[in-house]
Amino acid sequence: DAGITQSPRHKVTETGTPVTLRCHQTENHRYMYWYRQDPGHGLRLIHYSYGVKDTDKGEVSDGYSVSRSKTEDFLLTLESATSSQTSVYFCAISGVVAASTDTQYFGPGTRLTVL
Amino acid sequence: AQRVTQPEKLLSVFKGAPVELKCNYSYSGSPELFWYVQYSRQRLQLLLRHISRESIKGFTADLNKGETSFHLKKPFAQEEDSAMYYCALKFGNEKLTFGTGTRLTIIP
Repeated sequence: DAGITQSPRHKVTETGTPVTLRCHQTENHRYMYWYRQDPGHGLRLIHYSYGVKDTDKGEVSDGYSVSRSKTEDFLLTLESATSSQTSVYFCAISGVVAASTDTQYFGPGTRLTVL
Repeated sequence: AQRVTQPEKLLSVFKGAPVELKCNYSYSGSPELFWYVQYSRQRLQLLLRHISRESIKGFTADLNKGETSFHLKKPFAQEEDSAMYYCALKFGNEKLTFGTGTRLTIIP
């Protein structure tokens, strides 16, 4: 568990403000992911990274951007938060090869409320 | 596109009774299938994956390609099994696709 941390763990913000969530890993895993968890929708992939400076969009990427300037950190930014982005955000990592039976390891989550 | 369906949002089972959480997928190839679990106040974690053909915490899941299903089963439910369960699918180099989840409650 200690290998993946997320900050902040809770945040309340107002509509229109920018928000950045941080995922930090100490496992040296290659792949990192951002998901959002919503009732009735399960977990949906927002963006993912397959290496430093290599990122790609997931299923629900509109309104979100990401950056990965070093292996251990993956940042998720909401440029202008909206109430529909109120959710629990999870970071995950996986290590070896994307095409293998690679287990994803999850962070503790960040609960974001946009008023 | 690959899709995972978990038809039950909520499932309540008495302690000691059998448990079956349903998962169906839509993909014509040979996917990799997983069950992830999230206990209260804990992180989402892998429970089991079909290629391992293992039993974890008494749970098993068999891939049925004919019915495109990967149901999770346990013969005798325990209170500590109460959790949120997600079925997930991966095909080739595609990312994991999660179902909408089933919240399992074990009634004492």
